[in-house]
Amino acid sequence: EDQVTQSPEALRLQEGESSSLNCSYTVSGLRGLFWYRQDPGKGPEFLFTLYSAGEEKEKERLKATLTKKESFLHITAPKPEDSATYLCAVSGGYNKLIFGAGTRLAVHP
Amino acid sequence: EPEVTQTPSHQVTQMGQEVILRCVPISNHLYFYWYRQILGQKVEFLVSFYNNEISEKSEIFDDQFSVERPDGSNFTLKIRSTKLEDSAMYFCASRVRGELFFGEGSRLTVL
Repeated sequence: EDQVTQSPEALRLQEGESSSLNCSYTVSGLRGLFWYRQDPGKGPEFLFTLYSAGEEKEKERLKATLTKKESFLHITAPKPEDSATYLCAVSGGYNKLIFGAGTRLAVHP
Repeated sequence: EPEVTQTPSHQVTQMGQEVILRCVPISNHLYFYWYRQILGQKVEFLVSFYNNEISEKSEIFDDQFSVERPDGSNFTLKIRSTKLEDSAMYFCASRVRGELFFGEGSRLTVL
């Protein structure tokens, strides 16, 4: 059964304090690993899609990496506006994403 | 920037009533989806739609649910007889290649 586990559930950082979020997955035939940002009461906002182990993608203060078993979302020198829930999802086919429960990130000034 | 738009943003209905949630996907996208998120829980897949037919559906998507693309731009989710447990945020999404974009959601409250 396809499964996604994210850790930690919640993370509190000081502004400028870099850290990483983890996404462990099991899927039969990975067709993509997705990272989204979700603000309260809003829809998931697309960040990255990674396809194969060793792949990395960056966007502003965020960098996503992928291995055969897990993905990391690295946040460098975060700002309060980076506070959100970060969702990881995997696709074993073209039709659906399986989401993790997310990591709630709070960045304090 | 193109975006997926959903209406209504919030709907309150009585148990047993029919509800239609509407979505306008991004114009050049070919794959369309509905997901839902019960408060405090994971985002869950409901159904995928391609070439005017359902390509996959989850166990949640039972006979009470249906989807339709009535014209070239709209994509709708109908719940025939709502239950209390249908209360959730419903997200429409559309995809081109490897990027799947979500709308802001429709919050459904069933009383």
